[in-house]
Amino acid sequence: KAGVTQTPRYLIKTRGQQVTLSCSPISGHRSVSWYQQTPGQGLQFLFEYFSETQRNKGNFPGRFSGRQFSNSRSEMNVSTLELGDSALYLCASSASRDRGDTQYFGPGTRLTVL
Amino acid sequence: DQQVKQNSPSLSVQEGRISILNCDYTNSMFDYFLWYKKYPAEGPTFLISISSIKDKNEDGRFTVFLNKSAKHLSLHIVPSQPGDSAVYFCAASKGSGNTGKLIFGQGTTLQVKP
Repeated sequence: KAGVTQTPRYLIKTRGQQVTLSCSPISGHRSVSWYQQTPGQGLQFLFEYFSETQRNKGNFPGRFSGRQFSNSRSEMNVSTLELGDSALYLCASSASRDRGDTQYFGPGTRLTVL
Repeated sequence: DQQVKQNSPSLSVQEGRISILNCDYTNSMFDYFLWYKKYPAEGPTFLISISSIKDKNEDGRFTVFLNKSAKHLSLHIVPSQPGDSAVYFCAASKGSGNTGKLIFGQGTTLQVKP
């Protein structure tokens, strides 16, 4: 089975712009979560989607949004980019929301905001 | 507030010896704990998990111990191998509907010397 794929792998944007990141989960997986990794804050949960519905949301401003499509693919969007948004954005998928269902991570998208 | 803490940023051990990575948590509602390993330029890879109803779980060279009264868990790697050199994250979740929302520690960089 192919793993979780994220596109693009690298992005450079300037302050004020917006960006859309894409995540394709493992085939058959229906749950997708997003995390932000920065040197200062570590890995922080952004949001989780299951069956096209947001199930959980982390403590991020409204500039961060996401969605999930009927084929379980997910996108996250960051509007009005700030320098502090520079980070590695990781997507993870699992088969369901059941306890014990492992989350498998993609390689991440490295976003640099100048 | 940092609900999951890994107080040792780095650890260095000799090949063949035991590696012990520690993790503390503050939220008594956490009931499921996981360890992930991360190599540079890759997403985290699941290693092992433990439910709060257990105090030990083994998988090959990896064993996780949970001390609920102390709100402490540890990952033992025996014997350590150079390929184990990576950043190790502990993570926690609470409630059966929150599998997709993991709270991560800051990570510990393990170096296994040949």
